[in-house]
Amino acid sequence: ETGVTQSPTHLIKTRGQQVTLRCSSQSGHNTVSWYQQALGQGPQFIFQYYREEENGRGNFPPRFSGLQFPNYSSELNVNALELDDSALYLCASSPGPYNEQFFGPGTRLTVL
Amino acid sequence: DQQVKQNSPSLSVQEGRISILNCDYTNSMFDYFLWYKKYPAEGPTFLISISSIKDKNEDGRFTVFLNKSAKHLSLHIVPSQPGDSAVYFCAAIHGSSNTGKLIFGQGTTLQVKP
Repeated sequence: ETGVTQSPTHLIKTRGQQVTLRCSSQSGHNTVSWYQQALGQGPQFIFQYYREEENGRGNFPPRFSGLQFPNYSSELNVNALELDDSALYLCASSPGPYNEQFFGPGTRLTVL
Repeated sequence: DQQVKQNSPSLSVQEGRISILNCDYTNSMFDYFLWYKKYPAEGPTFLISISSIKDKNEDGRFTVFLNKSAKHLSLHIVPSQPGDSAVYFCAAIHGSSNTGKLIFGQGTTLQVKP
């Protein structure tokens, strides 16, 4: 059984650019949640996708957007990158919105 | 507004001794609590959880205690092993959440010395 995978592993962008991060959910999971982990902090919930629809959103601006595809993989898009967007972005998949979440290894984004 | 707090950024213990990691929360509507462990370059992995209707849950070397009146939980690891060295996150789920969204503390880095 393949676990949660994320790509790319690392990414460097400059302020104002746009970025797309990808997540493949675990087999049998229909829900993906995205978290941002700044240095020295715990992960913070960005949003969740359940069966291709957004199912809840944390306190992040609209320039953070997402998609979930029919195979339940997901993308996180961030527009107009700011220096404070530098963080580890984690995705977690689960069999349902309220089930145990299994995390991927994360994508380390650096904004210069 | 930090609703889940881990006030000790780091903890160092000797192999074989007990490790106690602490977590405080402010929102009385949290009804489920979890501990995650994170190694470098890996995502957090689930360790143990406890429902707000219980005050203790045990799984092998790991025990979580919940004190609702004090809004405090702790993770006990006995005996501690060098492989337990990692960052430990406490997380909570709000009772009315329809997402199971996890609200994490800042993490505590545990070092177990051989």
